[in-house]
Amino acid sequence: ETGVTQTPRHLVMGMTNKKSLKCEQHLGHNAMYWYKQSAKKPLELMFVYSLEERVENNSVPSRFSPECPNSSHLFLHLHTLQPEDSALYLCASSQDAIGRRGTDTQYFGPGTRLTVL
Amino acid sequence: GQNIDQPTEMTATEGAIVQINCTYQTSGFNGLFWYQQHAGEAPTFLSYNVLDGLEEKGRFSSFLSRSKGYSYLLLKELQMKDSASYLCAVRGQSGATNKLIFGTGTLLAVQP
Repeated sequence: ETGVTQTPRHLVMGMTNKKSLKCEQHLGHNAMYWYKQSAKKPLELMFVYSLEERVENNSVPSRFSPECPNSSHLFLHLHTLQPEDSALYLCASSQDAIGRRGTDTQYFGPGTRLTVL
Repeated sequence: GQNIDQPTEMTATEGAIVQINCTYQTSGFNGLFWYQQHAGEAPTFLSYNVLDGLEEKGRFSSFLSRSKGYSYLLLKELQMKDSASYLCAVRGQSGATNKLIFGTGTLLAVQP
């Protein structure tokens, strides 16, 4: 148990559907992240939030829309996705979004396995 | 550009020692992390290096040479449960967003 939970664990959706992924962290952290993990590719950072404010958007298409209502919850809203968006979506949290303290480790949730048909 | 290289797959025998290498080229450096990821599970933190040298933590050790842009993860007394993917990640410069740049991961298979 890493203190970061994600729901749902598996999601199958059509290209015209709208769905949301949810992440919750119970670690008292100030920063939260969304990553995409595709087969045989490195984890790709999508978004970074610090105290509910987005501080990084890594050129992610607008069909992915993040929302951070408070420092414990993070959502990823999905609409009109493409089959190539099928991947494992991982949420992570850390104490801060600015890497000052060396051992400020990111803790990951188990991910949502997304399949777009 | 920014690049993290590690072998795609490795195989080792139960009870043996295995070394997983990672080389990196990044703009700025503020630490290197190793994570373990079992299939279908979250990556879990294994080790952190920011200064040159060896960090030992039980059966796992991690080494860093900043001048060579090189790290390795050493696993001793391998157990079947060590079969997993091992991810090398570099954090960019201090004071910047706490971004981690990941390699593709090394899938380790431990055989009896």
